Amino acid sequence: DAKTTQPPSMDCAEGRAANLPCNHSTISGNEYVYWYRQIHSQGPQYIIHGLKNNETNEMASLIITEDRKSSTLILPHATLRDTAVYYCIVVPMNTGFQKLVFGTGTRLLVSP
Amino acid sequence: DTEVTQTPKHLVMGMTNKKSLKCEQHMGHRAMYWYKQKAKKPPELMFVYSYEKLSINESVPSRFSPECPNSSLLNLHLHALQPEDSALYLCASSHYTGGSYEQYFGPGTRLTVT
Repeated sequence: DAKTTQPPSMDCAEGRAANLPCNHSTISGNEYVYWYRQIHSQGPQYIIHGLKNNETNEMASLIITEDRKSSTLILPHATLRDTAVYYCIVVPMNTGFQKLVFGTGTRLLVSP
Repeated sequence: DTEVTQTPKHLVMGMTNKKSLKCEQHMGHRAMYWYKQKAKKPPELMFVYSYEKLSINESVPSRFSPECPNSSLLNLHLHALQPEDSALYLCASSHYTGGSYEQYFGPGTRLTVT
């Protein structure tokens, strides 16, 4: 069962920052926040993850609130190729494998 | 090489056929996964293999039979499927490093059951 809530859709102008929110109010202390995206007709792609600190990589930044009940994925300069469904997933720590339970995600449309 | 390959890309099969989907990775990952994705829905986990042993079966009907012959290869054997089994079947692999995972997904096999 998905433990996250995301808006069903968002729009963003090309070149602007895209801020995608996610609520995970029931997250427990040993659970990470992971973000994946799925571009049309492709397999999902890992973006970023975090436990409690803010994280940044070459694709995006992840801001997690201090109480860990919500987070925001930031694409700093959205391009048309960032149009995709973005999934925020809460995942328990496990050393053997990772069980991903996808929610309905946010469909981001980047327009010229 | 950070690629997960899946064959075939498309498959059409009748309800009495037996077919197999194949997934391969050469990243040294020891966990491999099968997901099913219906149109306009999110992926749903079907099976997880960890170190070539079946770790999770999400109550998948027995007409789907997974197999992990070695650490690089994952198969999904299909038999007596129903039209409602038509979907995109995704394979993924992952490795645990430094307290985190990153699952790599293949492009999927689009299955149509007639």
